[in-house]
Amino acid sequence: NAGVMQNPRHLVRRRGQEARLRCSPMKGHSHVYWYRQLPEEGLKFMVYLQKENIIDESGMPKERFSAEFPKEGPSILRIQQVVRGDSAAYFCASSPKGGTEAFFGQGTRLTVV
Amino acid sequence: QQQVKQSPQSLIVQKGGISIINCAYENTAFDYFPWYQQFPGKGPALLIAIRPDVSEKKEGRFTISFNKSAKQFSLHIMDSQPGDSATYFCAASMLAGTASKLTFGTGTRLQVTL
Repeated sequence: NAGVMQNPRHLVRRRGQEARLRCSPMKGHSHVYWYRQLPEEGLKFMVYLQKENIIDESGMPKERFSAEFPKEGPSILRIQQVVRGDSAAYFCASSPKGGTEAFFGQGTRLTVV
Repeated sequence: QQQVKQSPQSLIVQKGGISIINCAYENTAFDYFPWYQQFPGKGPALLIAIRPDVSEKKEGRFTISFNKSAKQFSLHIMDSQPGDSATYFCAASMLAGTASKLTFGTGTRLQVTL
């Protein structure tokens, strides 16, 4: 059973470009979470999704950031018009329905130049 | 009220020693307290977790101590080994919502020396 898969592992974008981060949850997991980790800081919750539904987006910046988890395919975190402050590691986690443990992927390290 | 405060920021322990990391929370609605271990370039991995109905939980060399009245919990790593060198995060969540919506501490970088 493969773990949570994130791609790309590293992403470099110029200011103003769009970044798309992908996350495939573990098999059988229907809940997906996105977290952001700034250098030397802990992880901050961004958004919680189930298939085709955003359940909690209380940690998402109001502008430029969006997330989806379609019926088919991976969850996508999309950042439009990236700025230097978006440079961070973005982690996806998944859990089964009713589960307590969150399983994390290896993260996507976004660098905005 | 949503914060989880973690200390120390970094810790150096000799091989065989005890590593102790402390966390404090403010939100009394939190009822699930996991610890995560993260190696460089990797995602966090669950190490051990506790619920507030017990004061201590032990798994191998790792022990969580929980003080509900003080709103504090700590991780003890007994017989610390060089392979334990990593960053450790405490976290908290509410089981009634979703346990995986975690509020993390800022992390402790542990180095175990020979």
